[in-house]
Amino acid sequence: GAVVSQHPSWVICKSGTSVKIECRSLDFQATTMFWYRQFPKQSLMLMATSNEGSKATYEQGVEKDKFLINHASLTLSTLTVTSAHPEDSSFYICSASPGGVYEQYFGPGTRLTVT
Amino acid sequence: AQKITQTQPGMFVQEKEAVTLDCTYDTSDQSYGLFWYKQPSSGEMIFLIYQGSYDEQNATEGRYSLNFQKARKSANLVISASQLGDSAMYFCAGGGNNNDMRFGAGTRLTVKP
Repeated sequence: GAVVSQHPSWVICKSGTSVKIECRSLDFQATTMFWYRQFPKQSLMLMATSNEGSKATYEQGVEKDKFLINHASLTLSTLTVTSAHPEDSSFYICSASPGGVYEQYFGPGTRLTVT
Repeated sequence: AQKITQTQPGMFVQEKEAVTLDCTYDTSDQSYGLFWYKQPSSGEMIFLIYQGSYDEQNATEGRYSLNFQKARKSANLVISASQLGDSAMYFCAGGGNNNDMRFGAGTRLTVKP
């Protein structure tokens, strides 16, 4: 139980284009989903927290107009990187929680490379 | 939000021996949780163990135990009987009242045969 999937697992896109990453909770309803970014050999940094049906809460320094988050249902959240640039290349990981931060289930991550 | 500090960038341990990975935290929340995750080279985050701030007993999960010293604000992970498959990055994380989780910088553990 408590499986979270991400799609795609890896993506290469050209600078200036947009890319969408999906995060799905497969066997539970996720009231809250979290998006993290991890640069090579660094830790996970929380980007934003989203609750179903409401706007995401972004961490300080994360551009909400660049990283669009939509938590449209209790099983799906999407992260869209708009006008991607090479510095956006990173490992993006989502996690889903049925309730509260103490219970988070992580997706396998999406590796984004912007050329 | 919590601040999590892991001061060991890398650790080596001989197979079958025990190893302790250090983690200290700083929070003003009264209620909080502390977590350890393992991240192999594939990138997935594997949950290992959880300790609640009000738990009086140290958490244990198989070969993993958490040495929780509240007064010192430390939550060290102890891995007993290390195996080659334990080689990975290990992250300490903390969550509190703000419904967010913060991660430490991580420790790369290498198990030597």
